[in-house]
Amino acid sequence: SQQGEEDPQALSIQEGENATMNCSYKTSINNLQWYRQNSGRGLVHLILIRSNEREKHSGRLRVTLDTSKKSSSLLITASRAADTASYFCAPQGAQKLVFGQGTRLTINP
Amino acid sequence: EAGVAQSPRYKIIEKRQSVAFWCNPISGHATLYWYQQILGQGPKLLIQFQNNGVVDDSQLPKDRFSAERLKGVDSTLKIQPAKLEDSAVYLCASSLGQGADQYFGPGTRLLVL
Repeated sequence: SQQGEEDPQALSIQEGENATMNCSYKTSINNLQWYRQNSGRGLVHLILIRSNEREKHSGRLRVTLDTSKKSSSLLITASRAADTASYFCAPQGAQKLVFGQGTRLTINP
Repeated sequence: EAGVAQSPRYKIIEKRQSVAFWCNPISGHATLYWYQQILGQGPKLLIQFQNNGVVDDSQLPKDRFSAERLKGVDSTLKIQPAKLEDSAVYLCASSLGQGADQYFGPGTRLLVL
């Protein structure tokens, strides 16, 4: 299916460390998007990477995409307590985003 | 720029009752989405509108769920009658067009007792 599957399901690290989350999908896509969701709130769009791109940066975020392996990764560098949230990848085909179950990231002070 | 607005933020009802949620998308956004997010899971698309027409409602339980976007701006999502398994957060999102970045509202948290 087009649904993204995040790995790991949960990740706990110390503040200042880097966090890496992975996403795998099964069908061809036009782009892949990453979203963050803080507890009890809506989703916030983080970054979009197109199928012809391999890497993209936005502040402390670095996203890679390997269409041959149908996988993507999200790296958050120098993590902060405010990064504690759930992170979802959403591969996008023609029109629809299909979200996975997400990675629950906890940043410990 | 104002974001996507949703109301109410919270709703508690008993099973078999009816409930309605309202969404006001970002001005100028032609595409509007309703998602259901059950605790511990990612959002699942229920219905997608392009202006006032339905693009995709393949995952909408049509026996109890309905949605409309009559004037191509605001939208309402209704559940009638509600079941226990409908307890979830209902998220509304909008985008300039199909395939564009989606902007999410804060969601409506529904608890069915």
